[in-house]
Amino acid sequence: DGGITQSPKYLFRKEGQNVTLSCEQNLNHDAMYWYRQDPGQGLRLIYYSQIVNDFQKGDIAEGYSVSREKKESFPLTVTSAQKNPTAFYLCASSIISGGDEKLFFGSGTQLSVL
Amino acid sequence: EDQVTQSPEALRLQEGESSSLNCSYTVSGLRGLFWYRQDPGKGPEFLFTLYSAGEEKEKERLKATLTKKESFLHITAPKPEDSATYLCAVNSGGGADGLTFGKGTHLIIQP
Repeated sequence: DGGITQSPKYLFRKEGQNVTLSCEQNLNHDAMYWYRQDPGQGLRLIYYSQIVNDFQKGDIAEGYSVSREKKESFPLTVTSAQKNPTAFYLCASSIISGGDEKLFFGSGTQLSVL
Repeated sequence: EDQVTQSPEALRLQEGESSSLNCSYTVSGLRGLFWYRQDPGKGPEFLFTLYSAGEEKEKERLKATLTKKESFLHITAPKPEDSATYLCAVNSGGGADGLTFGKGTHLIIQP
């Protein structure tokens, strides 16, 4: 089945530690995105990439980094500079179909601080 | 700056009790309004895209409508499996990087 796979489902970070969230898609979509979701808040864009080897900062990029070495993969690193990393992280990819640009989401990674 | 306000924050209905969820928006130029469904611990699932005032789209018990200031998601004779958080988003930038999401409406359908 085609889709977006995020791993791990749950992740714990110790203070001062960098952690990497994985996102893989087999939908052959060019564009990929990382969102952060906090309780009671709307999704906020962290980073996005429209083509391989290129990515752009979203609204809340500070304390995060990404890479896009392959079309299928868009990992997110939460660095120690991100002081409030506890959140639900969602990876997405998009395609323009029938005039609509549709976002397809993965199942998310819940990151918590130990 | 684009703004999206969803109301109510939470809604509890009896099975079969129809109702509507509201999404009010302010954008510089609407390129699309999107509705998503999100189950607990899962990623959002695409439901509808609306582009112009007067447009309507339907899927099973759900019907989305759009005016120049707001969108409604009408739920007719809901079932417990319709329980979820419904998210609204607007796009004024052309690409998905220009999406602004609302906080969502948490819908509970009681048997």
